Amino acid sequence: GESVGLHLPTLSVQEGDNSIINCAYSNSASDYFIWYKQESGKGPQFIIDIRSNMDKRQGQRVTVLLNKTVKHLSLQIAATQPGDSAVYFCAEKVVYGNKLVFGAGTILRVKS
Amino acid sequence: NAGVMQNPRHLVRRRGQEARLRCSPMKGHSHVYWYRQLPEEGLKFMVYLQKENIIDESGMPKERFSAEFPKEGPSILRIQQVVRGDSAAYFCASSPQLGGGLNVYEQYFGPGTRLTVT
Repeated sequence: GESVGLHLPTLSVQEGDNSIINCAYSNSASDYFIWYKQESGKGPQFIIDIRSNMDKRQGQRVTVLLNKTVKHLSLQIAATQPGDSAVYFCAEKVVYGNKLVFGAGTILRVKS
Repeated sequence: NAGVMQNPRHLVRRRGQEARLRCSPMKGHSHVYWYRQLPEEGLKFMVYLQKENIIDESGMPKERFSAEFPKEGPSILRIQQVVRGDSAAYFCASSPQLGGGLNVYEQYFGPGTRLTVT
């Protein structure tokens, strides 16, 4: 069935360093991927998305990479800041549907 | 421009009672999604609705759960005869349209309703 998983449940980085959060997905029919950030007690907040016909997309301080060959998605955060501390989820959308399938999440802790 | 609104933010119900969770999508959005999140887990899709129509309810439990999105008013997720296993955070998301350029599949989430069943 559909599943999205994350390699690392917790990632600790030093303030100012770059962070890389990884995600594996299993459904080759997925055509759209999103990274969300969720702070404690809040709803998921959109970070960046990418369509399956792309392999890289950049935003402000964030980059998403998509490797369809190995079904792998990553989120890179440049110059990580304390405000980046949160749980990060990848989500995929299967073609011909609208629902999102979420991974379990990675906790990002930024040390000052 | 107000975001997705959900109320109540916290809801406590005893076993056997009914829970009603409300969601008002962003202005101009006609697609609503409900997700459930257990502690330290990802969100699980429940149901996708457009105005007056259920489009995809593949994630809804077969019994006790129902959802609606009437022509006027908020979307309602209704849980009858709640049990302790229903305790979770329930998130609503909305989106503006399907197809077209990038970002149109983006779903904007509300702050969630945290349901506790005692």
